[in-house]
Amino acid sequence: NAGVTQTPKFRILKIGQSMTLQCTQDMNHNYMYWYRQDPGMGLKLIYYSVGAGITDKGEVPNGYNVSRSTTEDFPLRLELAAPSQTSVYFCASSPGTDFYSNQPQHFGDGTRLSIL
Amino acid sequence: KNQVEQSPQSLIILEGKNCTLQCNYTVSPFSNLRWYKQDTGRGPVSLTIMTFSENTKSNGRYTATLDADTKQSSLHITASQLSDSASYICVVASGGSYIPTFGRGTSLIVHP
Repeated sequence: NAGVTQTPKFRILKIGQSMTLQCTQDMNHNYMYWYRQDPGMGLKLIYYSVGAGITDKGEVPNGYNVSRSTTEDFPLRLELAAPSQTSVYFCASSPGTDFYSNQPQHFGDGTRLSIL
Repeated sequence: KNQVEQSPQSLIILEGKNCTLQCNYTVSPFSNLRWYKQDTGRGPVSLTIMTFSENTKSNGRYTATLDADTKQSSLHITASQLSDSASYICVVASGGSYIPTFGRGTSLIVHP
């Protein structure tokens, strides 16, 4: 099992460019999440999905879009990159949600994104 | 507003020593509290998960405690090893919400 795989690991973008951060999991988890981690701050939830075809906004969704066409994949799209989106992005998955499942979230190793 | 505060912000200890990290939260309604270990350049890895009714949970040399009345949790690391050097993150989930509240983490450095 590879777990949660994120690509690319590093990326530098220019302001206004767009890109897609890829995330795939091989654990057949229904729930998937995107977080961002800024230096010295706690992780913030961007978007989440409770299953294929179902997505919803988290705490900081502005400037991002997601889709979930399969159980395995949950890509995150940045349409018009801005310097404020410089961060480390983590994808995670779990068999259930936080509030009725005691199953842990499994995280990928992150994508480090710089926007200049 | 839901908040999770961790202390200390950073900690340096000698290999073989014990240490305790603190987590105070104001999340309501409470669902569960998780401790994660995050190595530099890696994603967080789950250590323990505790619900309202649990006050202690262990994972090897890691023991987490929870006092739901005072809304405090601690993570005790016994006989520290160099590989324990990492950031330790406290996360509290709120009942009925998909949005957890993460603490900023405690950075632990274990010196030989």
